[in-house]
Amino acid sequence: QVQLKQSGPGLVKPSETLSLTCAVSGASLSSSNYWGWIRQPPGKGLEWVASMFHGGNTNFNPSLKSRLTISLDTSNNQFSLTLNSVTAADTAVYFCVRHAITGIQYWPAPVDNWAQGSLVTVSS
Amino acid sequence: DIVLTQSPGTLSLSPGETVTLSCRASQSFSSHFLAWYQQRRGQAPRLIIYGGSNRATGIPDRFSGSGSGTDFTLTITRLEPEDFAVYYCHQYERSPVTFGQGTRLEIK
Repeated sequence: QVQLKQSGPGLVKPSETLSLTCAVSGASLSSSNYWGWIRQPPGKGLEWVASMFHGGNTNFNPSLKSRLTISLDTSNNQFSLTLNSVTAADTAVYFCVRHAITGIQYWPAPVDNWAQGSLVTVSS
Repeated sequence: DIVLTQSPGTLSLSPGETVTLSCRASQSFSSHFLAWYQQRRGQAPRLIIYGGSNRATGIPDRFSGSGSGTDFTLTITRLEPEDFAVYYCHQYERSPVTFGQGTRLEIK
């Protein structure tokens, strides 16, 4: 059974950096799946943030790209997100996710596994 | 970007009824790249349908997806109490992948 477990601070000050890590069990980051992040502002809908393949192919939401870094650590089977220069608009529940393998294309792809999500609040 | 608009925003129904949720796209795309998710209160979303009409693992056949071009639907028959949640459509034909704003199913 695939499990994704997030860790990281729940409170970040404006203009600082948000950092989250997702530890994966029951699956390998070296598989053919993409791994990524989706966020959900309180009471609102879902917004894709970024996704990455272990071979190095990385995809970012253009609206966030200039502030984003994502990385995969296959040796520890975990991946990370950093978002710089945060504002209150970055307050959201962040989900780390695994994208499915559908047999049609590797990317983009729907999400077949989600972490429980963690609320990150940007506030001084 | 492909904008997905879901309607209505909220639906009030009773268990046992049948409902059809709508997802309309700002640009045409293949139904092979349309998914639906269910999000219960306080939980992460769960994949319900992918490829327009394929049920994800463990999803009962009360759930079905259809549509093409710019108009897609999710139909749920014989509503169970656990079906009352928010449903999101999702296009993954091209990046950036996008989601609809959601339709909330509530118990009447």
